[in-house]
Amino acid sequence: RKEVEQDPGPFNVPEGATVAFNCTYSNSASQSFFWYRQDCRKEPKLLMSVYSSGNEDGRFTAQLNRASQYISLLIRDSKLSDSATYLCVVNTGTGRRALTFGSGTRLQVQP
Amino acid sequence: DTGVSQDPRHKITKRGQNVTFRCDPISEHNRLYWYRQTLGQGPEFLTYFQNEAQLEKSRLLSDRFSAERPKGSFSTLEIQRTEQGDSAMYLCASGSGGAHNEQFFGPGTRLTVL
Repeated sequence: RKEVEQDPGPFNVPEGATVAFNCTYSNSASQSFFWYRQDCRKEPKLLMSVYSSGNEDGRFTAQLNRASQYISLLIRDSKLSDSATYLCVVNTGTGRRALTFGSGTRLQVQP
Repeated sequence: DTGVSQDPRHKITKRGQNVTFRCDPISEHNRLYWYRQTLGQGPEFLTYFQNEAQLEKSRLLSDRFSAERPKGSFSTLEIQRTEQGDSAMYLCASGSGGAHNEQFFGPGTRLTVL
């Protein structure tokens, strides 16, 4: 089983739609959680950290469920520019500093 | 530009040759990471430095791979006797630690081994 699992998609949605991605992680000791965005042939860019109480940044909302070991990302009012791959990322902590990435979920927003 | 920079951006080499990549982190960051990414996958961790000390290495880092950060600033990643399976994007990230260990990535070096 992969440490971080995501539905690869693609998710094809019209502009203005709301779309949600889920991600599950296997290590219950994981301490930090993130969503990164990656455009084709570019580097991953930090979209947002995910906090235990959930957090929102404009049209983006992230939630963490530690009991079920899953993380979600909700994008409201999708824009064409939101088209990208969204990477779910976990840091297990406990002395490890490496980030563990999911394989990504591809989003295509259509006009 | 005060972000992470990497050089070269692209490298094409023949199997068996040695290659070296450089990463310059964000100046105030004491932590530096190397990752490798292949098509359709997320980045995979290779190694991590805090200042000049290499504190963690992945099992992916075979003995043909070596990384250094001699003065705690820039880092180099060398691959000896390259193989076709080494073809990938090599990403460098830096961070300042902190509660959430956020990491910021450079543009990567795309390696093609012929």
